[in-house]
Amino acid sequence: DTEVTQTPKHLVMGMTNKKSLKCEQHMGHRAMYWYKQKAKKPPELMFVYSYEKLSINESVPSRFSPECPNSSLLNLHLHALQPEDSALYLCASSQRPGQGRKNEKLFFGSGTQLSVL
Amino acid sequence: AQKVTQAQTEISVVEKEDVTLDCVYETRDTTYYLFWYKQPPSGELVFLIRRNSFDEQNEISGRYSWNFQKSTSSFNFTITASQVVDSAVYFCALSEAATGFQKLVFGTGTRLLVSP
Repeated sequence: DTEVTQTPKHLVMGMTNKKSLKCEQHMGHRAMYWYKQKAKKPPELMFVYSYEKLSINESVPSRFSPECPNSSLLNLHLHALQPEDSALYLCASSQRPGQGRKNEKLFFGSGTQLSVL
Repeated sequence: AQKVTQAQTEISVVEKEDVTLDCVYETRDTTYYLFWYKQPPSGELVFLIRRNSFDEQNEISGRYSWNFQKSTSSFNFTITASQVVDSAVYFCALSEAATGFQKLVFGTGTRLLVSP
């Protein structure tokens, strides 16, 4: 099973709503990532969790709150978002934090398309 | 600072043509890794290849081949005999020892359109 599963696939929310994006992997990976991708732009790193601990936060606004309840799950809690936060949110995982190990690579989910009205 | 440049925004070819996607990178690290990912319309990023900075050997995988040249900081990707299913956005990416290889920086992507 080499899948990263993200739910929901699509989400529309108002600026006062609270919602959560979910990501799950069962490959035994110990690093998980959130990327944000605006239309026609490359993915940009938001957060990295290594062994369930937050290791990188790329100066993301506090209206985005990540959570890693266990090594298989990664959530992104959303609150008071702005229309400019509309984007594709991609989750990824890798076997170990960083990619220094031979043949290490990221496995990506198909993303959650978020629209903020 | 690390940077990846993909100068070709969009390329259109007819099926069976060969096409090369260019990638130029900048890094101060002596140890780094380069990647190519494919993003079809479904949105998922699909891993194609990883190349280590200390291994300049070119690689061929079926219709795909990669040319890594440290002297010109380039890591170009060639598709031979392109097919309609190759239509996608292709991203070149870089990770460095300085960030523990945890941060993958992407180029702006090249959209490839293969018509029948």
